[in-house]
Amino acid sequence: DGGITQSPKYLFRKEGQNVTLSCEQNLNHDAMYWYRQDPGQGLRLIYYSQIVNDFQKGDIAEGYSVSREKKESFPLTVTSAQKNPTAFYLCASSIWGYDGYTFGSGTRLTVV
Amino acid sequence: GEDVEQSLFLSVREGDSSVINCTYTDSSSTYLYWYKQEPGAGLQLLTYIFSNMDMKQDQRLTVLLNKKDKHLSLRIADTQTGDSAIYFCAERLKNSGYSTLTFGKGTMLLVSP
Repeated sequence: DGGITQSPKYLFRKEGQNVTLSCEQNLNHDAMYWYRQDPGQGLRLIYYSQIVNDFQKGDIAEGYSVSREKKESFPLTVTSAQKNPTAFYLCASSIWGYDGYTFGSGTRLTVV
Repeated sequence: GEDVEQSLFLSVREGDSSVINCTYTDSSSTYLYWYKQEPGAGLQLLTYIFSNMDMKQDQRLTVLLNKKDKHLSLRIADTQTGDSAIYFCAERLKNSGYSTLTFGKGTMLLVSP
């Protein structure tokens, strides 16, 4: 079955450490997205990528970095520069055009 | 500008109808979407409506679009406890190349037995 997989589901890190969240899709979608979800804040766009080797900053890109070396993969690194990294992170993908997104099941990151 | 507004909370009894409302400010929107998020999970696309439509029905779900007032609603008939979740409204803009979706903050629907 085609889908989008995020791993791990739960992640704990010490403050000051970088951490990378994985996102893989086998839907042959061109575009991939990273969102951050905080209680009462809805979804806020961190980064998105339309094609391989290209990506754009979203509304809250500071303290995050991404890469898109393969169509199937769009990992997100939460760096030590991100002041409030504890959140629920959602990855999504879509085909070109006007379809809605397919979301992964999310990674809950807790920084202590 | 882009902004999507939703009420934060709705409580209904099982068997009643639920109506979740959304307003958007950008008249250039092409597609409008409703997503459902269950606790600890990702978002699941429920339905969508193209901006040249007024209504779309899909089993228990009815989407109404009032373009003049920039108002979108999702009606769930015969609401069940399994419908308890957060519902997000989202819009995609027209003629903006490869745009991203803009989401509302979500409406938490609580269905009591």
